[in-house]
Amino acid sequence: DAKTTQPPSMDCAEGRAANLPCNHSTISGNEYVYWYRQIHSQGPQYIIHGLKNNETNEMASLIITEDRKSSTLILPHATLRDTAVYYCIALYSGAGSYQLTFGKGTKLSVIP
Amino acid sequence: DTEVTQTPKHLVMGMTNKKSLKCEQHMGHRAMYWYKQKAKKPPELMFVYSYEKLSINESVPSRFSPECPNSSLLNLHLHALQPEDSALYLCASSQDPGGFYEQYFGPGTRLTVT
Repeated sequence: DAKTTQPPSMDCAEGRAANLPCNHSTISGNEYVYWYRQIHSQGPQYIIHGLKNNETNEMASLIITEDRKSSTLILPHATLRDTAVYYCIALYSGAGSYQLTFGKGTKLSVIP
Repeated sequence: DTEVTQTPKHLVMGMTNKKSLKCEQHMGHRAMYWYKQKAKKPPELMFVYSYEKLSINESVPSRFSPECPNSSLLNLHLHALQPEDSALYLCASSQDPGGFYEQYFGPGTRLTVT
């Protein structure tokens, strides 16, 4: 699986959009970009994933660049409950068991 | 029900003790996972069960012994642990072992080895 690079920390004002970048310059054509987050003392939570096209669900939007070398997770209206560590993972999607390899992630602090 | 439950929430054990961690899901998922997370570090994969068979063991010491009695249950048997094994142990499940499906995590068991 391709390595991902994220900033170690970010702040975001409550109610504003939080844009979390991820670099995955060595991603291969059959690797998806997944985002998980981990709120303090809880298990990680799946947020969203995508391959080429931008994706949106009830939690967030995922914007993937055309060359697929980077992506941005967007939380449109951040709340205090969005304070967490956000992990970007590049993952081969194929038959058989697979492994989530968590990097260091970005610690997002939402500030009142 | 999209919940993965883990018991106990907290466990303190001595180095000569034998204990077990339990994980349960009722989502019909066919893949289950154990992760270990040290403080301020990301989770690290330990084991993967696919259709109740062990498919991945990430070079975990034999003092950790996983067991999958049925498709809903996953146990982690602990014996002769070391203080450095103190960590948060997370269980997860996914619909299928294939990479396309998201994993659902339990809240974890916080283990302290004295």
